[in-house]
Amino acid sequence: EAGVTQFPSHSVIEKGQTVTLRCDPISGHDNLYWYRRVMGKEIKFLLHFVKESKQDESGMPNNRFLAERTGGTYSTLKVQPAELEDSGVYFCASSQGFPQETQYFGPGTRLLVL
Amino acid sequence: ILNVEQSPQSLHVQEGDSTNFTCSFPSSNFYALHWYRWETAKSPEALFVMTLNGDEKKKGRISATLNTKEGYSYLYIKGSQPEDSATYLCAFKDSGYSTLTFGKGTMLLVSP
Repeated sequence: EAGVTQFPSHSVIEKGQTVTLRCDPISGHDNLYWYRRVMGKEIKFLLHFVKESKQDESGMPNNRFLAERTGGTYSTLKVQPAELEDSGVYFCASSQGFPQETQYFGPGTRLLVL
Repeated sequence: ILNVEQSPQSLHVQEGDSTNFTCSFPSSNFYALHWYRWETAKSPEALFVMTLNGDEKKKGRISATLNTKEGYSYLYIKGSQPEDSATYLCAFKDSGYSTLTFGKGTMLLVSP
């Protein structure tokens, strides 16, 4: 069974540019999560989809971040326009549906904003 | 704001040593405690999901215990090997939320 995949693995952009990150969850997983780890800090929650609906987006930093999950399959996270403080590792995770169940993580996208 | 603390921040041991780290979390509204093993540039690997006070779980040389009343979990590695080198993350799940709240992790280095 394929795990959670993320694309691209790395992205280097200039301040003010736009970047779109993609996550493909494990097939059949209704729950999809986005997290971010800024260097030296803990992994922090951004938002949670159940199928195509946003269940919780309380962790989204501001309106420069837009997440979508059309059709309830893969998800994209767009940052527009990117700022220096957006640099970090963006993780996606998926789970089957039970609250206590394991969240399976992708390898992350390393974003550097110059 | 939920506070999850992990100690030590980093640890350097010799091959064959046994070691343990601590994860502290709020003792109220406990739902679950997750442990992950993360090697940089790879996916964090799920180790355990712990839900009941007194839980003990084991996976090979790695085991974990849970005390929800006092708000801590221990992760033990018996006979550390160089391939155990990684950052070990714990994440707390509050019953009122769907999100995981992570600690900063314990970075383990095992020298041959």
